[in-house]
Amino acid sequence: RKEVEQDPGPFNVPEGATVAFNCTYSNSASQSFFWYRQDCRKEPKLLMSVYSSGNEDGRFTAQLNRASQYISLLIRDSKLSDSATYLCVVTSASKIIFGSGTRLSIRP
Amino acid sequence: DVKVTQSSRYLVKRTGEKVFLECVQDMDHENMFWYRQDPGLGLRLIYFSYDVKMKEKGDIPEGYSVSREKKERFSLILESASTNQTSMYLCASSATSSDGIQYFGAGTRLSVL
Repeated sequence: RKEVEQDPGPFNVPEGATVAFNCTYSNSASQSFFWYRQDCRKEPKLLMSVYSSGNEDGRFTAQLNRASQYISLLIRDSKLSDSATYLCVVTSASKIIFGSGTRLSIRP
Repeated sequence: DVKVTQSSRYLVKRTGEKVFLECVQDMDHENMFWYRQDPGLGLRLIYFSYDVKMKEKGDIPEGYSVSREKKERFSLILESASTNQTSMYLCASSATSSDGIQYFGAGTRLSVL
């Protein structure tokens, strides 16, 4: 079993829709969590950290469920520019693990 | 803004060649990382360094070595390139070794023929 797993997608949704995807992790001692965004043929960039109480940044909401060991990313009112691959990152002790990413495609 | 610069965007090399990939960061970060990214496999850590002249193996170090002579520069070396090393190589830096906040270079797409 992979330490961090994501549904690879692609998720294909119309502009304006709400879309959510999850990332599961296997190590219950994992300490911190992040979502990164990677555009086609570009480098990953930090989108947002994920806090225990959940957090929001504009149209993006991130949540952590420690009991079930997953984090989620919800995007409201999706825009064409949200099309990208979303990578989750989980850290534990001195280890940083990237998920393989979920591809999101927003159609007009 | 943090800037991580990789020396080449695209490289084409022949099997058996020695290949150097250079990475420079300008934020005085202690930690630097080399990853490769392949479709369906995500980012895999090759090597990382938490200080000058220090290096640690990542998950897939075989066939690679690294050099960190100066804090801002971290080099990845393919001693004898092979076709299975064709990949996207990404360098990153972070303030601490377990910090999930990493800053990436634009990547080097290496093709080994």
